[in-house]
Amino acid sequence: DGGITQSPKYLFRKEGQNVTLSCEQNLNHDAMYWYRQDPGQGLRLIYYSQIVNDFQKGDIAEGYSVSREKKESFPLTVTSAQKNPTAFYLCASRGQGATGELFFGEGSRLTVL
Amino acid sequence: KQEVTQIPAALSVPEGENLVLNCSFTDSAIYNLQWFRQDPGKGLTSLLLIQSSQREQTSGRLNASLDKSSGRSTLYIAASQPGDSATYLCAVAPDDYKLSFGAGTTVTVRA
Repeated sequence: DGGITQSPKYLFRKEGQNVTLSCEQNLNHDAMYWYRQDPGQGLRLIYYSQIVNDFQKGDIAEGYSVSREKKESFPLTVTSAQKNPTAFYLCASRGQGATGELFFGEGSRLTVL
Repeated sequence: KQEVTQIPAALSVPEGENLVLNCSFTDSAIYNLQWFRQDPGKGLTSLLLIQSSQREQTSGRLNASLDKSSGRSTLYIAASQPGDSATYLCAVAPDDYKLSFGAGTTVTVRA
């Protein structure tokens, strides 16, 4: 059945390492998003992509990078430049342009040791 | 910049009571508003989507209203159950692709 798959669910990283979080969707949606969620805070937008081979920075893009080579996939790399990477990361997708319903994956929890 | 506020931050009610959750936003130029549920350690599950031309949406025990002119939406959950315990978030979609989220209301339904 259709949905968004994020992997891994849990990830531990040593300081100075880059890590990549996977996000795959089979909903045939054009737009995909990455959000970060910290305890007691709302979701903050990291990057978003409206179409293949195009993406834009969100509100907290520093220390992160993305690619959108395929419609189904939108991986997020957390680089060593991200000063406080421990957080819950959520991937989402949306069809039907700006009026569509937003769907989320189950999330990936990253912990820096 | 769009600001989305959800008050209260937490709510505790006895089973069977109706729940009323509030969401306010500062810019009325939105395409739609969406309500989500989040269980601890999980992703967000979409509950209701209200387009800007609509006044309300209903799904089972859930009803959401939208008043764009006053920048408010209310989510009603009838006859609450312990299984309704979760965090409820609202999000508004402006005329670009950058949705804005509230911080959520954490609901506890006591058996």
